[in-house]
Amino acid sequence: AQSVAQPEDQVNVAEGNPLTVKCTYSVSGNPYLFWYVQYPNRGLQFLLKYITGDNLVKGSYGFEAEFNKSQTSFHLKKPSALVSDSALYFCAVRDMVVDSSYKLIFGSGTRLLVRP
Amino acid sequence: ETGVTQTPRHLVMGMTNKKSLKCEQHLGHNAMYWYKQSAKKPLELMFVYNFKEQTENNSVPSRFSPECPNSSHLFLHLHTLQPEDSALYLCASSQVMSGSYNEQFFGPGTRLTVL
Repeated sequence: AQSVAQPEDQVNVAEGNPLTVKCTYSVSGNPYLFWYVQYPNRGLQFLLKYITGDNLVKGSYGFEAEFNKSQTSFHLKKPSALVSDSALYFCAVRDMVVDSSYKLIFGSGTRLLVRP
Repeated sequence: ETGVTQTPRHLVMGMTNKKSLKCEQHLGHNAMYWYKQSAKKPLELMFVYNFKEQTENNSVPSRFSPECPNSSHLFLHLHTLQPEDSALYLCASSQVMSGSYNEQFFGPGTRLTVL
């Protein structure tokens, strides 16, 4: 079965410093990977996805993610963190296709705290 | 804000009540989803509707009853819930085509409290 793991419950970083939120995956076949962000009292917002192609994927709000097949990782990164980036981040992998639809398997989430 | 709306945003109900959650997507998508988000637990997929047909029921108790009258609307009917059903219920939609890998768009959620 497909799965993702987010090994860190929380990541703390100072504003202006680079940030990394980790995600590893386990899939059979080609992985289709996603990152979402959730701000307080809001639904999830799509940040970026990896389907195929370049291993470095650029997304919304200056975020990017690096796909590493040998390490089965898909870490989320940003060169310079903002206080407003503080939120809950979810990594997800697409599960098997059923009747042309698909479902996402989400990680447990990582809370990012950016201090001023 | 995304093109997926959910009402109500907050709901408090007793265990004997019957209530419904509503989701509407304005994105022209053909698939809709219900998720449950509890504290300290990963998001749990509950139901998937593809072209109004239910394609996934992830072992959800029968006290949760989904309804998808058309591709833009999704309901979750609730009856005789338990306190452990208190959670944030998220609706999502996506455009599904053969060979496509489109992301899901989420609504803001309904915060449900069962007393």
